[in-house]
Amino acid sequence: NAGVTQTPKFRVLKTGQSMTLLCAQDMNHEYMYWYRQDPGMGLRLIHYSVGEGTTAKGEVPDGYNVSRLKKQNFLLGLESAAPSQTSVYFCASSYYTGGNQPQHFGDGTRLSIL
Amino acid sequence: GENVEQHPSTLSVQEGDSAVIKCTYSDSASNYFPWYKQELGKRPQLIIDIRSNVGEKKDQRIAVTLNKTAKHFSLHITETQPEDSAVYFCAASDEAGTALIFGKGTTLSVSS
Repeated sequence: NAGVTQTPKFRVLKTGQSMTLLCAQDMNHEYMYWYRQDPGMGLRLIHYSVGEGTTAKGEVPDGYNVSRLKKQNFLLGLESAAPSQTSVYFCASSYYTGGNQPQHFGDGTRLSIL
Repeated sequence: GENVEQHPSTLSVQEGDSAVIKCTYSDSASNYFPWYKQELGKRPQLIIDIRSNVGEKKDQRIAVTLNKTAKHFSLHITETQPEDSAVYFCAASDEAGTALIFGKGTTLSVSS
């Protein structure tokens, strides 16, 4: 039982490049979340999903897109990376609504945009 | 929308002392308040949570109190140990109850 797995763990991009971050969970959780963590800013919600085929915007959605084609996977895409998107990205999941139950986090992806 | 303020941003204590971290929230509809601990370079991990129908909850050296009227909740760590050194985040459920809004974190340093 791996829990929440994020790939890749590290990535360096050039401005304007695109990439996709993958989050996979094997706990049969319905809800999945993408956060970014910047120094002194805490964890800010980018997008989330309340079930397969659904997505919703969080606090800081601009510049990101997401997809949840399979229940176990939640993808975060950067279409045209900008230096302001340099951050550590965390994925989390919860069995039912993460606004009322513990969220389980992955190990994070450290992304640098040059 | 919900806003969560967390204080202090840094806290230094001696081993064996108590540590208290306080958070306030803005949305009176919030009903779930978890606390997460994040060690350097690691993932955030839940250490304790409390729901709006409870005023206090304890788990060994950790306790959380909730004052719904004042819309604030606090984390109390007693008999601190060096391994308690980490960043602690409070959070509150958003107005829809589907997500969490996090505070900006408190860096706790416990010196021996």
